[in-house]
Formats: sequence, structure tokens, C-alpha cells
Amino acid sequence: NAGVTQTPKFQVLKTGQSMTLQCAQDMNHEYMSWYRQDPGMGLRLIHYSVGAGITDQGEVPNGYNVSRSTTEDFPLRLLSAAPSQTSVYFCASSYAGWTEAFFGQGTRLTVV
Amino acid sequence: AQTVTQSQPEMSVQEAETVTLSCTYDTSENNYYLFWYKQPPSRQMILVIRQEAYKQQNATENRFSVNFQKAAKSFSLKISDSQLGDTAMYFCAFKMNRDDKIIFGKGTRLHILP
Repeated sequence: NAGVTQTPKFQVLKTGQSMTLQCAQDMNHEYMSWYRQDPGMGLRLIHYSVGAGITDQGEVPNGYNVSRSTTEDFPLRLLSAAPSQTSVYFCASSYAGWTEAFFGQGTRLTVV
Repeated sequence: AQTVTQSQPEMSVQEAETVTLSCTYDTSENNYYLFWYKQPPSRQMILVIRQEAYKQQNATENRFSVNFQKAAKSFSLKISDSQLGDTAMYFCAFKMNRDDKIIFGKGTRLHILP
């Protein structure tokens, strides 16, 4: 039972590079979301999806793109990485309308 | 817009003592859920306890209990007989009944001292 799987766990990027953070869940959850965690800021919602083909912006969407072509996968794309995107990123999923969210183990991203 | 405020950035207590972490929130909704999540050094997000707003009874999970004051919009977490393994960052969080987005506070870093 894998739950929510994020890859990679650690990544260092140069300013201007692009990359995709992967998130996959095997629980058939409709709802998936991406958060970033910064010191003293808690977790802030970047983008979320209520089902395949449906995505929407959260609190801090600038600089990030998402798509949801399948129920299982919800990748987060950084098109041109900036030092301000240095953070720990979490993917989460849940059944729509349920209270419990399941989190991946996070990706620590450093942009130099 | 909903907000969650944790006023204690960092706390330290001796092992076996009781500690209370504070959380207040702001919402105009009547139906919602409140949570406390624990994040140990492993970075994993672990759900500690959950409270439904329509329930007057405070939630309890073993050594963890909450004091939910709906009118005051307060949701504190009490950890009894604290253990070294309780050392972690603790996040208070809010979710409306009609929405799946979870809104987090900024967290309280808790140190349990031997």
C-alpha cells in the first residue's frame, strides 16, 4: 500500500532551469493538492485538483503549473526556477468530502 | 477568507509534563473541521487529532486532547505525559465542510527536553 508517493525527495536546480515534481497516489482519491512549506510560513496551497482534467489555483500559484490527466497523478511543474522557489513541497490527496488527507514525504528543492 | 493563527512559534517542556499548544481561527462558516498535524524531523505529516465543529465534545486520542471553543474560535491541543518522541512541529489546520482545501497555521515547534 504505497499511499502518496513523491519523487524526487531532494533536488538542486540552477536558476532558470525547469523541472517536474511527481506525485502519484494509489487510493483512487479525487482530490489532490500541492503545498509548499517555508520556515515560519506553515504550509501554503499552490494548486489543487478535484478530479482528472480539473485544476485550480491556491494561495501561491505563481511560477507553477499543474495538470491532472489521470486520477492517480498530479505533477507540479516549475518552468523557470527562481531562488524564491527554494522550499519543501508536499503533495496530498483525499477522497472528496472526506476529512482525512494523506501526505507524501515531501521534496526538498533548492534553487541556486 | 479563512485564517488559522498559531501564536507560539516555539515551546519547550520537560519530559512527562503537560503542554498546551494554542490555535485560533477565523471563519464565517458553521460547518467545518479542525485538525492538529505533527511533523517530526522525518518531515512526514501525521494527523494527530480531528474535531468536527458540530460536535460539542472535545476530541481525545490517547495522550492528545483538544479544547474546542467554537464561540471563541479557539482550538488548543493538550499533550499529557509528554515524551521525547513528541518533539516535532505541530500545525493547526482548518477545512470547510463544503470544500476539500486545508488551511494551515504557521506551526509551533515543540521541544521535549529529557
